[in-house]
Amino acid sequence: NAGVTQTPKFQVLKTGQSMTLQCAQDMNHEYMSWYRQDPGMGLRLIHYSVGAGITDQGEVPNGYNVSRSTTEDFPLRLLSAAPSQTSVYFCASSPRGQGGYTFGSGTRLTVV
Amino acid sequence: AQTVTQSQPEMSVQEAETVTLSCTYDTSESNYYLFWYKQPPSRQMILVIRQEAYKQQNATENRFSVNFQKAAKSFSLKISDSQLGDTAMYFCAYLYGGATNKLIFGTGTLLAVQP
Repeated sequence: NAGVTQTPKFQVLKTGQSMTLQCAQDMNHEYMSWYRQDPGMGLRLIHYSVGAGITDQGEVPNGYNVSRSTTEDFPLRLLSAAPSQTSVYFCASSPRGQGGYTFGSGTRLTVV
Repeated sequence: AQTVTQSQPEMSVQEAETVTLSCTYDTSESNYYLFWYKQPPSRQMILVIRQEAYKQQNATENRFSVNFQKAAKSFSLKISDSQLGDTAMYFCAYLYGGATNKLIFGTGTLLAVQP
């Protein structure tokens, strides 16, 4: 049972490049979320999903897209990377009704 | 909108002593969950303890316990017999028990346990 798997763990992008951060969970959780963590700001919600085919925006959605075609996968797409998107990104999942989220190990992204 | 405030950016405690981390939150909801997460230098987010708002009894997990004051919207974490491995960033988080299941975090408290 792998839990929540994020890839890659580290990435360096040039300004303007696009990329997809992958997230997969094998716990059959309905809820999935993407966060970014910046110093002094805690974790801020980017996008979230309450089930396959259903996504919505969080607190800081600009510059990011998501989709949820299956229960297991919830990729985060950066359309045109900017230095302001340099951050650590976490994916998390939760079952219905229990409230506790399980987190992936994070992706450290640097945009130069 | 729901908000979570952690007013102590950094704290320090001696090994084997007790420390309390503070957290307040703002909500108009009656049904919700509160959490404390630990993030050691490895970056992994680890769930420490969970409290359901409708339960008056304070949650306890080994050396970790909370003081949940619903009327005051306060949710502090007490760590007893502090250990070097407790050195980490600690995040307080609020989850609204509705359909969205959104988890909102405070800005964190960096705890250093000194030998």
